[in-house]
Amino acid sequence: TQLLEQSPQFLSIQEGENLTVYCNSSSVFSSLQWYRQEPGEGPVLLVTVVTGGEVKKLKRLTFQFGDARKDSSLHITAAQPGDTGLYLCAGDAGGTSYGKLTFGQGTILTVHP
Amino acid sequence: GAGVSQSPSNKVTEKGKDVELRCDPISGHTALYWYRQSLGQGLEFLIYFQGNSAPDKSGLPSDRFSAERTGGSVSTLTIQRTQQEDSAVYLCASSLAAGGTYEQYFGPGTRLTVT
Repeated sequence: TQLLEQSPQFLSIQEGENLTVYCNSSSVFSSLQWYRQEPGEGPVLLVTVVTGGEVKKLKRLTFQFGDARKDSSLHITAAQPGDTGLYLCAGDAGGTSYGKLTFGQGTILTVHP
Repeated sequence: GAGVSQSPSNKVTEKGKDVELRCDPISGHTALYWYRQSLGQGLEFLIYFQGNSAPDKSGLPSDRFSAERTGGSVSTLTIQRTQQEDSAVYLCASSLAAGGTYEQYFGPGTRLTVT
């Protein structure tokens, strides 16, 4: 069974601070996705990374996929209250599990004005 | 354009009753997924359908859970003889095809409460 450990589980910071969320596994993933979820809604995809060592930037968000494709991180620069939400990482193991995502437990981010 | 829709949005049922949850995927999406999200938890994969292939049922927690997809479109997740531990938000997602590089579009979920 593929497992994704996401940390921290909770993050409460002030507006303007930087933060990093980590997603780690002992297994290799063919691709990894990051989602953001608002209360009462389904998750919305932020980014997909597929290549080991890949770095993608989305405005103030920077996503990195580890060289061995076992870990990933999400870094937010100068966090804003609008960034508040649940952040989830999800990996696709590929092979016979192609398309079946394994999700991390999520990080609840609260950014205070 | 229309996204993934789910109904009902909320369902309260008594322990032991059967429930049916419905998912209408985005038109043209061949892959459809069901997940379960418990309070404060990540998403737990339940089942997925890809085109006309046999569904991957490996995530279903017990034989009380079943799902079908009619005509390659609408899907129904059925939970028989509901238990309190079945209380959760059930999320449906669809994508153009199966695979981690295809974006999964999620519906708003059905919140199931078993009393």
